[in-house]
Amino acid sequence: EVQVVESGGGLVQPGGSLRLSCAASGFTSDDHAMHWVRQAPGKGLEWVSGIFLKNDRTGYADSVKGRFTVSRDTASKTLHLQMNSLRAEDTAFYYCVRDILPGGADVWGQGTTVTVTS
Amino acid sequence: DVVMTQSPLSLPVTLGQTASISCKSTQGLVHSDGNTLLNWFHQRPGQSPRRLIYNVSKRDSGVPDRFSGSGSGTDFTLRINRVEAEDVGFYYCMQGAHWPYTFGQGTKLEIK
Repeated sequence: EVQVVESGGGLVQPGGSLRLSCAASGFTSDDHAMHWVRQAPGKGLEWVSGIFLKNDRTGYADSVKGRFTVSRDTASKTLHLQMNSLRAEDTAFYYCVRDILPGGADVWGQGTTVTVTS
Repeated sequence: DVVMTQSPLSLPVTLGQTASISCKSTQGLVHSDGNTLLNWFHQRPGQSPRRLIYNVSKRDSGVPDRFSGSGSGTDFTLRINRVEAEDVGFYYCMQGAHWPYTFGQGTKLEIK
């Protein structure tokens, strides 16, 4: 069974840092890309960041550019999201998403909660 | 960025009736591989989004044939025939043709 499992969420003060991880299993190839998508309480879905699996090219939403960094560990098949200079508006449920085919957003994890509060 | 606009945002439906959700994009969604990358997701409270439809009209495995997607260019539609109680929740369209991927605002389907 293909799946992705997030970890690393928690409670952090404004200005602090967190590192999210996403472990992928059951996939037979590198597929297309992996992403982080977040959902603030009671709100819709927002793409945060993504990385192409064939060339490690990355992309970021304007709201997190310069503060968040996406990376992956090929050996452990793990995706990371380093989040620095966190703000209250970063409070959300963060989902790891894998594209099996381009643009597919085929597989979603259960998510991990990030709460930024003083 | 491509803006995705859904309507309606609230959709009360009688059990057994048909529901229809519109999604309009500000740009075409044709990928370099020739596919139109428009997906539909369903999210129940407390759960992750689940993809129902990809490439405009292809149903994911296990999705009832009551669900169908259609459209082209910048106008797309999700149709749910014979609405059942389990269909309640939020529905989102998403374009995957251009980075950043973008989502519609979400449509809340509820039973009258």
